[in-house]
Amino acid sequence: AQKITQTQPGMFVQEKEAVTLDCTYDTSDPSYGLFWYKQPSSGEMIFLIYQGSYDQQNATEGRYSLNFQKARKSANLVISASQLGDSAMYFCAMREGEYNFNKFYFGSGTKLNVKP
Amino acid sequence: DVKVTQSSRYLVKRTGEKVFLECVQDMDHENMFWYRQDPGLGLRLIYFSYDVKMKEKGDIPEGYSVSREKKERFSLILESASTNQTSMYLCASSSFGEGLNTEAFFGQGTRLTVV
Repeated sequence: AQKITQTQPGMFVQEKEAVTLDCTYDTSDPSYGLFWYKQPSSGEMIFLIYQGSYDQQNATEGRYSLNFQKARKSANLVISASQLGDSAMYFCAMREGEYNFNKFYFGSGTKLNVKP
Repeated sequence: DVKVTQSSRYLVKRTGEKVFLECVQDMDHENMFWYRQDPGLGLRLIYFSYDVKMKEKGDIPEGYSVSREKKERFSLILESASTNQTSMYLCASSSFGEGLNTEAFFGQGTRLTVV
């Protein structure tokens, strides 16, 4: 089974609007971490935000927030007030386990296009 | 500033050649990873290493090997390159023992074309 599922291959959003990028995950481990990365056309991977499985509150970092619904195993990224520079690929990733947390599992990504 | 450096941005190799992709990190990280990125498939783990000379297979190790002789350097080797190994290759590193919340740091990627 896929560890990380991103069901939106591509999304469009109008500049200054908010957008939600979906991510669901699969794990039986009670301890895990969820990450979002941005990959602009230049290719580098930029870490955006982290949510731990035991965190009580949703993570926020500037215009990025994570809508964490543990029972539904979803960790959607919300970008508020979209900017043209937000156009990029976005990847959701998971790291699981307290004693074997070497691996990062990535989803297939969502390509976000911000329209002026 | 943390840094993961891959030796080449672009490579063109011939079928059957032995190909070396090099990755160096300056953060004293224990973990290093090699991923392959293909459209619609995301990042797939080829191999990772959690210490010098230690390695584990990822999800798609076939046709690849790795070498980690020094902590800062992790090499990906294509023993006999084939056209289906044309892809973007990403190296990453992360610390170990600081908890789940430590992110992976990535290199700039190597776009390999096998002709």
